[in-house]
Amino acid sequence: EAQVTQNPRYLITVTGKKLTVTCSQNMNHEYMSWYRQDPGLGLRQIYYSMNVEVTDKGDVPEGYKVSRKEKRNFPLILESPSPNQTSLYFCASSFFSGGREQYFGPGTRLTVT
Amino acid sequence: GQQLNQSPQSMFIQEGEDVSMNCTSSSIFNTWLWYKQEPGEGPVLLIALYKAGELTSNGRLTAQFGITRKDSFLNISASIPSDVGIYFCAGHPPPPNDYKLSFGAGTTVTVRA
Repeated sequence: EAQVTQNPRYLITVTGKKLTVTCSQNMNHEYMSWYRQDPGLGLRQIYYSMNVEVTDKGDVPEGYKVSRKEKRNFPLILESPSPNQTSLYFCASSFFSGGREQYFGPGTRLTVT
Repeated sequence: GQQLNQSPQSMFIQEGEDVSMNCTSSSIFNTWLWYKQEPGEGPVLLIALYKAGELTSNGRLTAQFGITRKDSFLNISASIPSDVGIYFCAGHPPPPNDYKLSFGAGTTVTVRA
């Protein structure tokens, strides 16, 4: 089944404790992206990657890091999480060219205390 | 990033009603996308639009890409209870930022008791 998977689905952590949220897709998509969703703000793009080893900032990159060492994986790293990063996070992927319709993972709900 | 103004913020539907929502921007987009999100899930693509003036249907859903390239609307005809959820518009701007995806804040659709 074609899908985007994220882990963990739920995470509660404390300020300053480094964490990684994994994202994997099995559709051979070149493009992958991370979003955060906050009430009343819709989804905002954090980082995106056009292919292996090619990443760029979205609209809200501060406090986040990403890496793209393999085509199927695009982990999101919070080196020193803060409470304002409490949010619902989505990973998405699509083909590089053509319509580029993005397919989303199920989400990771992160709480930073 | 690009701001998409989506309206209405919320609406109540009665079974059988036609409903409409729209999205506007101060700048042009090359692609408009409409997504639906249900509780606990990631957004799911409903309709993708690629050309100004394009009108596309997906079952009871119809969406149009505005001729100015700055707006799009989504219509749901003969609504049913399972239409409840949050609907998001999204758009890809022209190059060189075409790998970014901006979202509206969403329209929450609820069944009227």
